[in-house]
Amino acid sequence: NAGVTQTPKFRILKIGQSMTLQCTQDMNHNYMYWYRQDPGMGLKLIYYSVGAGITDKGEVPNGYNVSRSTTEDFPLRLELAAPSQTSVYFCASSYRPGQGPTNEKLFFGSGTQLSVL
Amino acid sequence: AQTVTQSQPEMSVQEAETVTLSCTYDTSESDYYLFWYKQPPSRQMILVIRQEAYKQQNATENRFSVNFQKAAKSFSLKISDSQLGDAAMYFCAYRSPILFGNEKLTFGTGTRLTIIP
Repeated sequence: NAGVTQTPKFRILKIGQSMTLQCTQDMNHNYMYWYRQDPGMGLKLIYYSVGAGITDKGEVPNGYNVSRSTTEDFPLRLELAAPSQTSVYFCASSYRPGQGPTNEKLFFGSGTQLSVL
Repeated sequence: AQTVTQSQPEMSVQEAETVTLSCTYDTSESDYYLFWYKQPPSRQMILVIRQEAYKQQNATENRFSVNFQKAAKSFSLKISDSQLGDAAMYFCAYRSPILFGNEKLTFGTGTRLTIIP
């Protein structure tokens, strides 16, 4: 079972370029998340989605966009890449029943290391 | 806003020995969830253990256990019988029980654990 799959694993961008980080999960999870991890820091939430067609901003959304057209896929779009976006990006998913608690387990992908030069 | 502090950037332990990783947090909420995540060199974040604040009993998962001191806002992780596979970065994380509008996990900066053979 694949779990959460992220592509690519590594990428180098030039300043001003755009790219899409792909994320797919095969666990039929309703919640999906994008986090970034800067060197020596914990993860910070960029965007999240509670289901197909519904997305919302996290802690650090500027410079990014997301969409959720299907339950499985949650791509992250970087427009006009900047050096400040050099980071490791993690996609995660979880299943939460309608009014369930927020202690559910998050399943993470293996990350995308992005450098903007 | 909640904050999570891990004051030990690095720790090392002899194989088969016991090690305790520290985590403190700051919050004004009375109910919340706490987690320890492990990040091995593969980069994938893996849930180690979780604790609901309303539960007085400390969570245990095989060789992993926590010492949850709610009044002191402390949440330490004890690893018993340390194994080489335990070598990783360990992150403490906090989550509010609010279902919507506050979806993020707040992470500490991590503790790098080295296992000495």
